[in-house]
Amino acid sequence: AQSVTQLDSHVSVSEGTPVLLRCNYSSSYSPSLFWYVQHPNKGLQLLLKYTSAATLVKGINGFEAEFKKSETSFHLTKPSAHMSDAAEYFCVVSDGGAQKLVFGQGTRLTINP
Amino acid sequence: EAGVAQSPRYKIIEKRQSVAFWCNPISGHATLYWYQQILGQGPKLLIQFQNNGVVDDSQLPKDRFSAERLKGVDSTLKIQPAKLEDSAVYLCASRTYRGAKGTDTQYFGPGTRLTVL
Repeated sequence: AQSVTQLDSHVSVSEGTPVLLRCNYSSSYSPSLFWYVQHPNKGLQLLLKYTSAATLVKGINGFEAEFKKSETSFHLTKPSAHMSDAAEYFCVVSDGGAQKLVFGQGTRLTINP
Repeated sequence: EAGVAQSPRYKIIEKRQSVAFWCNPISGHATLYWYQQILGQGPKLLIQFQNNGVVDDSQLPKDRFSAERLKGVDSTLKIQPAKLEDSAVYLCASRTYRGAKGTDTQYFGPGTRLTVL
C-alpha cells in the first residue's frame, strides 16, 4: 500500500525567508508524487508533480521539489516566502494506474510579517 | 476553461437526515472522484467513476452513502441517514483519461462543507 508522511503539521517562517515542507513516501511502484495547496475556503490546487522524469521539479509560484529515491523523500521548498503562501499543503502519492491519490495529513504554513 | 463546480457550498443538517451534493466536472473529463476531508486531515477517496461506471468504491460506507454519475457527466453523492462523524468537506475532482499510465492532473472543486448537528 502506498502512503505519505508529512513530517511537520505546522511550519512558521518569516516573510522573505526560505520555506521547507518535508514529505516521505512509501510505494511499491515507481511513484507519481504531487504537492497540492489549499487556501482557506478554496479548492485544492496543484503546485507541482513528479512523474519519473527530472528529479528536480519546478512548480507554480516559485515552489520546487526534489525526488530522492534513496531517502524516499519529496520535500517542497521555496527560496523566499510571501504572505500569500500561507495555506495548507498536502503531499500526495499516486498508484499511477487508476490514479488513486493518497494524501498526507497536511502541513499548515504560516508566514510572519 | 471552467473549473469543477460543486453545490451547495455549505450545508447544515440534523443527524439522521438526508443530504445530497452535486458535482459538475470539467467538460470532457471522463474520470470523476469524490473525496471526504475531515477537519485536520487530508482528503480520502470515497468513490471513483470512469464515465458512468464505478472504478473504485472500496472506501465508500455503502450502508449510508451512495453516488451516481448519470450519462457520464454530472454526479451526485448522497448520505442517508447522516451521522455526526459525517461532518466534513466533500470534494469532487475530475481528470482526463489517457490510459492506465496516465498521470494527468486531478482538478478539484471548492467543496461542500457539511455540518451534522
